[in-house]
Amino acid sequence: EAGVAQSPRYKIIEKRQSVAFWCNPISGHATLYWYQQILGQGPKLLIQFQNNGVVDDSQLPKDRFSAERLKGVDSTLKIQPAKLEDSAVYLCASSSTGTGNIETQYFGPGTRLLVL
Amino acid sequence: GEDVEQSLFLSVREGDSSVINCTYTDSSSTYLYWYKQEPGAGLQLLTYIFSNMDMKQDQRLTVLLNKKDKHLSLRIADTQTGDSAIYFCAEAPGGYQKVTFGTGTKLQVIP
Repeated sequence: EAGVAQSPRYKIIEKRQSVAFWCNPISGHATLYWYQQILGQGPKLLIQFQNNGVVDDSQLPKDRFSAERLKGVDSTLKIQPAKLEDSAVYLCASSSTGTGNIETQYFGPGTRLLVL
Repeated sequence: GEDVEQSLFLSVREGDSSVINCTYTDSSSTYLYWYKQEPGAGLQLLTYIFSNMDMKQDQRLTVLLNKKDKHLSLRIADTQTGDSAIYFCAEAPGGYQKVTFGTGTKLQVIP
């Protein structure tokens, strides 16, 4: 079974530039998550999708961050414009809701963003 | 709000047992998880425990939960060099509700 795919793996941009990350979840997984992991911290949930609808985006800085999941499969996360404090690893995860009473999230390798 | 805390670093010798500790504040936490993150990789779910359990054993892993003190621990028996990684505890109030991760404990295994 293929895992969660993310691209690019690394990105370096200057502040005020725009950047986009892509995630392809495990086939058949209805739920998709984007997390921000700042160095030395645990992942923080940015947004959760159920199919192509947003379940939770309470911690997404909506003035600069946006995400979409067209057709309920792949997802993109965009930052526009980027700030220095956005330097982090952006993790995508997916899960198969309804396969039991415990949710197992499968994580991709992440995209490491450096904002200069 | 929720807060999950862990010590930052643990160093053990190969073959010894490792114990990684975690405290959480949300008394409504129902599901408690341990994840492993190897360098350059995403998180991998190791094990989980429900809040109505005190202990769960899975091969070399033993999870202990003290619900009164909101303390969770992960014991790794016969620690190997391949166990070197960052370990995150996490909690969620429900099976499909938002998961809050701790700050992570970096485990270093000395050969």
